[in-house]
Amino acid sequence: GAGVSQTPSNKVTEKGKYVELRCDPISGHTALYWYRQSLGQGPEFLIYFQGTGAADDSGLPNDRFFAVRPEGSVSTLKIQRTERGDSAVYLCASSPTGGAVTEAFFGQGTRLTVV
Amino acid sequence: GQQLNQSPQSMFIQEGEDVSMNCTSSSIFNTWLWYKQDPGEGPVLLIALYKAGELTSNGRLTAQFGITRKDSFLNISASIPSDVGIYFCAGQSMGGAQKLVFGQGTRLTINP
Repeated sequence: GAGVSQTPSNKVTEKGKYVELRCDPISGHTALYWYRQSLGQGPEFLIYFQGTGAADDSGLPNDRFFAVRPEGSVSTLKIQRTERGDSAVYLCASSPTGGAVTEAFFGQGTRLTVV
Repeated sequence: GQQLNQSPQSMFIQEGEDVSMNCTSSSIFNTWLWYKQDPGEGPVLLIALYKAGELTSNGRLTAQFGITRKDSFLNISASIPSDVGIYFCAGQSMGGAQKLVFGQGTRLTINP
């Protein structure tokens, strides 16, 4: 597809379970970002990848959150031992080679609900 | 951490009216951005501002980067029904960090 694709669109999980959220960036985009958006709030930065490496993971809230991008394309955000407070929309964005976050395109997000 | 204060939180206007919203911060930002988010979608970039004092237009939208680098406003002229949504300001810190700080959003509702 032409845009950033995130799957699943919605995920409901039980407290304590493990979840994986997937992001397919725009083809050829080397930079990839994850943000979390709680209800009624603006997105909050989680992590930024340049290629395969996490260039900035300062926004990850704790060690239950982890993200990978092994081949420099698709990224997976992993959340262990989910808590009800993890419920939010998780947004992924990508920007082209040489581009900056100011040129990023966002996906539609994955709505995570922890019950 | 850095915070952006966006106001108003919500606006209820009549179709055809002009709209103004603003964003302030205690921190200096290198770049200011304005996004629109529709339900179930990610934010879409409307306008990017790169220089202090810069005034930029995109159709019926006009935005300015404050001279102190700590504030910005967005104006929408002659509102139409498709302008409904949530508008977010976002700032990129000085130093080139590749992350944005977002405001809380302004929800715009238009009565036909």
